[in-house]
Amino acid sequence: KAGVTQTPRYLIKTRGQQVTLSCSPISGHRSVSWYQQTPGQGLQFLFEYFSETQRNKGNFPGRFSGRQFSNSRSEMNVSTLELGDSALYLCASATAGGVDTQYFGPGTRLTVL
Amino acid sequence: GQNIDQPTEMTATEGAIVQINCTYQTSGFNGLFWYQQHAGEAPTFLSYNVLDGLEEKGRFSSFLSRSKGYSYLLLKELQMKDSASYLCAVSDYGQNFVFGPGTRLSVLP
Repeated sequence: KAGVTQTPRYLIKTRGQQVTLSCSPISGHRSVSWYQQTPGQGLQFLFEYFSETQRNKGNFPGRFSGRQFSNSRSEMNVSTLELGDSALYLCASATAGGVDTQYFGPGTRLTVL
Repeated sequence: GQNIDQPTEMTATEGAIVQINCTYQTSGFNGLFWYQQHAGEAPTFLSYNVLDGLEEKGRFSSFLSRSKGYSYLLLKELQMKDSASYLCAVSDYGQNFVFGPGTRLSVLP
């Protein structure tokens, strides 16, 4: 079974731009969660989607948004990029979320200049 | 509030045993997970505890005490490849995953 895939793997943007990241979960998984990982803050929860609906949301500004498609693939969008948005963005899929084990993708390394 | 604490760094010798502690205070508890993350890679699942006690899986064991808000990950017969960050995460009542800051383990020859 193929693992979680994320595209692109690396991205360089400038302040004020917007970016869209993509995540394809493991086949059969309906829950997709997004995390931001930085050296100073560790792994922080952004949001979780299940069956095309945002089920949970972390404490991030509205510039961070996401969506999930009927095939469970998910996208995350960050608008008006700031230098502090530079991070590794990880997506994790699970069968149904909740206490199900999450399986992480390789991440997208975003650098904002 | 949500708070998970882990030691920042630990060092151990190849072949030894190391215990990585995790204490948590979260809004509810649905289970505790341990993940391993090598530098530059994604976290990979190691173990899951929802009931008190010890769960053993090969060289790795994880212990949970819900009344104390405490868990530990025990790594036996350490190998160089065990050098990585170890993340403790709790699933709370909102079914969110709250991750600890991670413990960077260095295994020395």
